[in-house]
Amino acid sequence: QITLKESGPTLVKPTQTLTLTCTFSGFSLSTSGVGVGWIRQPPGKALEWLALIYWNDDKRYSPSLKSRLTITKDTSKNQVVLTMTNMDPVDTATYYCAHRGMNYDSSGYWWFDPWGQGTLVTVSS
Amino acid sequence: DIQMTQSPSSLSASVGDRVTITCRASQSISSYLNWYQQKPGKAPKFLIYAASSLQSGVPSRFSGSGSGTDFTLTISSLQPEDFATYYCQQSYSTPPYTFGQGTKLEIK
Repeated sequence: QITLKESGPTLVKPTQTLTLTCTFSGFSLSTSGVGVGWIRQPPGKALEWLALIYWNDDKRYSPSLKSRLTITKDTSKNQVVLTMTNMDPVDTATYYCAHRGMNYDSSGYWWFDPWGQGTLVTVSS
Repeated sequence: DIQMTQSPSSLSASVGDRVTITCRASQSISSYLNWYQQKPGKAPKFLIYAASSLQSGVPSRFSGSGSGTDFTLTISSLQPEDFATYYCQQSYSTPPYTFGQGTKLEIK
């Protein structure tokens, strides 16, 4: 059974850097094809994909946030860390991490499943 | 960037109704389209990948179709537990792997 859980501060001040940790179990980030993504959701709004890290340490970022985001992994600890610099009140959201599942054929189909429970981060002075 | 547009934004329906939600991509994404269900205060739940392939354990009343730019999610006979918000997401080649703005399905 795959589980993920996000942890980090619930309140950050404007201009500060946010560091969130995703701790997972039930899979290894050293297995070919595996990935972990981060997605956020402002209160009452839609989901927004942020970043994705693969088993081979390849990383993908949302172009609109790329300059502010860094995603890293610690395979030995089963953790993925997302940092976001220069936080602003508009970054207030529930932040989710999710396992990247895929079809192990040549199709390339992939999806996010399962997701962590999410952690609400409020940006306010 | 590929934009994903869902319609309608909200929908009222009754138990037993058949409902269809549409998702349109701003450019062709072949069949690289996923659907998720989200209930209030909960994380999204994965339903469908490759536009029409049902995730294991998802009830067969859910179905998906489409390719290219136009996709649909259909619930054949609404059950009380289906009232939620539904999101499409494109997983085609390059990021960002955008989500639609969501469709809130409410009880009439």
